[in-house]
Amino acid sequence: GAGVSQSPRYKVAKRGQDVALRCDPISGHVSLFWYQQALGQGPEFLTYFQNEAQLDKSGLPSDRFFAERPEGSVSTLKIQRTQQEDSAVYLCASSLEGTLFNEQFFGPGTRLTVL
Amino acid sequence: DQQVKQNSPSLSVQEGRISILNCDYTNSMFDYFLWYKKYPAEGPTFLISISSIKDKNEDGRFTVFLNKSAKHLSLHIVPSQPGDSAVYFCAASALELVFGQGTRLTINP
Repeated sequence: GAGVSQSPRYKVAKRGQDVALRCDPISGHVSLFWYQQALGQGPEFLTYFQNEAQLDKSGLPSDRFFAERPEGSVSTLKIQRTQQEDSAVYLCASSLEGTLFNEQFFGPGTRLTVL
Repeated sequence: DQQVKQNSPSLSVQEGRISILNCDYTNSMFDYFLWYKKYPAEGPTFLISISSIKDKNEDGRFTVFLNKSAKHLSLHIVPSQPGDSAVYFCAASALELVFGQGTRLTINP
């Protein structure tokens, strides 16, 4: 496909369960970003990859959050021992260049609900 | 602390009139500003951007104004069309993108 895709689109997890969220960026895009969007808020930065290197993970809220992009393409955001406050839409974005200032193309997001 | 603020959660405008969406920021290190548009169940879509060295950028019906001394930017849409109804986010960048809370724009026919 031409755009950023994310799966699953919706995920319901029981508190304490581990979840894995997948992002397929636009082919050839160097940079990949993860954001967390709580209800009624704007997206908040979580982490940033340039190819396979995770250059910034300062936005990850706790050590339960882990992201990887082992081959510089698909990325997975993993949340261990989910808590209710993790409920949010998780957005992935990619951009062509290796800088933070280029236009980012967003996927549709994964809506995570933790019961 | 909210570094980028959109103080109006919603705005309603008559079709054909001008829509003005406002955004304030606090971090003087921000040097690039963007507006994104978001429809329900979709990710944000890039609309228009402006560098801190400019005070205006225009693209068709969309114009972004930047007032650095006031740390304020605005998005003007003229004329407004029903398809412009969406949530609009402003975002600012120093290192990572920082988003505002969004403003829901409704264009009434």
